[in-house]
Amino acid sequence: SQTIHQWPATLVQPVGSPLSLECTVEGTSNPNLYWYRQAAGRGLQLLFYSVGIGQISSEVPQNLSASRPQDRQFILSSKKLLLSDSGFYLCAWSGTNYGYTFGSGTRLTVV
Amino acid sequence: GEDVEQSLFLSVREGDSSVINCTYTDSSSTYLYWYKQEPGAGLQLLTYIFSNMDMKQDQRLTVLLNKKDKHLSLRIADTQTGDSAIYFCAELDSSASKIIFGSGTRLSIRP
Repeated sequence: SQTIHQWPATLVQPVGSPLSLECTVEGTSNPNLYWYRQAAGRGLQLLFYSVGIGQISSEVPQNLSASRPQDRQFILSSKKLLLSDSGFYLCAWSGTNYGYTFGSGTRLTVV
Repeated sequence: GEDVEQSLFLSVREGDSSVINCTYTDSSSTYLYWYKQEPGAGLQLLTYIFSNMDMKQDQRLTVLLNKKDKHLSLRIADTQTGDSAIYFCAELDSSASKIIFGSGTRLSIRP
């Protein structure tokens, strides 16, 4: 069966520090991968999605970037975090149109 | 562009039915979804409906789709305390490359 792993679960980082969040999927090949952010009390904002290795589509211009170095690995990064980057980051994958499967999320607090 | 809207809060009495409403703008959406998010967790796909269907029922859940009005609803029968969560309405965008989420409806249950 397919599983999605996302880590870390929580992270507290100072302003200006770098960020690396990792997401991996098991049990499937060539999945579509997605990074979403959920700010406190708000809905889901799509940040990046990828349909294959090295293929990244950016939905919102900001100081975040994404990479897909392997078929089932999706990484969200920042060189310098801002306070406004705080939020709940969710990775998801899909293989069909029958919805996404989400990871358990990373709660990032920038202080 | 595509947009999905839903009310932010709903409070119901335990045992009553909950009805969460959603409107969307993309008339060419082929799939529409309902997701559930419990506190501090990722999103869980509850159900989806294909655009050529008017209704889908799954145990206590009933999804109604009005394509003419671009209106989607989720009815939860016999609402229980375990149904307390945020419910997200979502649509597959016209390019079928990503899912657009609403802002979520927080369902609270009162005794």
